[in-house]
Amino acid sequence: SQTIHQWPATLVQPVGSPLSLECTVEGTSNPNLYWYRQAAGRGLQLLFYSVGIGQISSEVPQNLSASRPQDRQFILSSKKLLLSDSGFYLCAWSVGTSGGAEDTQYFGPGTRLTVL
Amino acid sequence: LAKTTQPISMDSYEGQEVNITCSHNNIATNDYITWYQQFPSQGPRFIIQGYKTKVTNEVASLFIPADRKSSTLSLPRVSLSDTAVYYCLVGGGYSSASKIIFGSGTRLSIRP
Repeated sequence: SQTIHQWPATLVQPVGSPLSLECTVEGTSNPNLYWYRQAAGRGLQLLFYSVGIGQISSEVPQNLSASRPQDRQFILSSKKLLLSDSGFYLCAWSVGTSGGAEDTQYFGPGTRLTVL
Repeated sequence: LAKTTQPISMDSYEGQEVNITCSHNNIATNDYITWYQQFPSQGPRFIIQGYKTKVTNEVASLFIPADRKSSTLSLPRVSLSDTAVYYCLVGGGYSSASKIIFGSGTRLSIRP
């Protein structure tokens, strides 16, 4: 069966510090991968998605970046965190030719990031 | 982009049937309608997906009228564990992931 892992589960970082969040998927090949951010009490905002190794599409201009060094690994990074980067970060995967909304997405447990 | 509109919140009682409606007036021909459920501090979970008419699975039903400009998620005989946020997502048909838009969702509260 397929599983998705995210770590760390929680993170408290000072403003201006770097960030690295990791997501890995097991039990499937060539998944579409997504990074979302959810502010407190709000909906999900798609940040990045990837339909293959080295293929990253950015949805929202910001100080975050994403990389996919391996087929089932997706990394979210920042060189300098801002207060506004606080939130709940969710990784998700799907299988499908387009990676669009018709593909069922399976979400990880999330990382709660607090920037102070 | 197919924008969706849902009620911000709804309340109901255990054992009742709950219907949550989502409006998507500019839905495209190739768009699907998908509903997700999210509990606090967890990632959303897929509930049901449909294109037209009615779809039913073990947890919910999805009703889509002929014009497809709205859809209704029906939860039969809810329990306290159904308290969650429900998101309606419209898009797809081999479009890119850039058209994935989760709205603010509907916060459903179930009371004993």
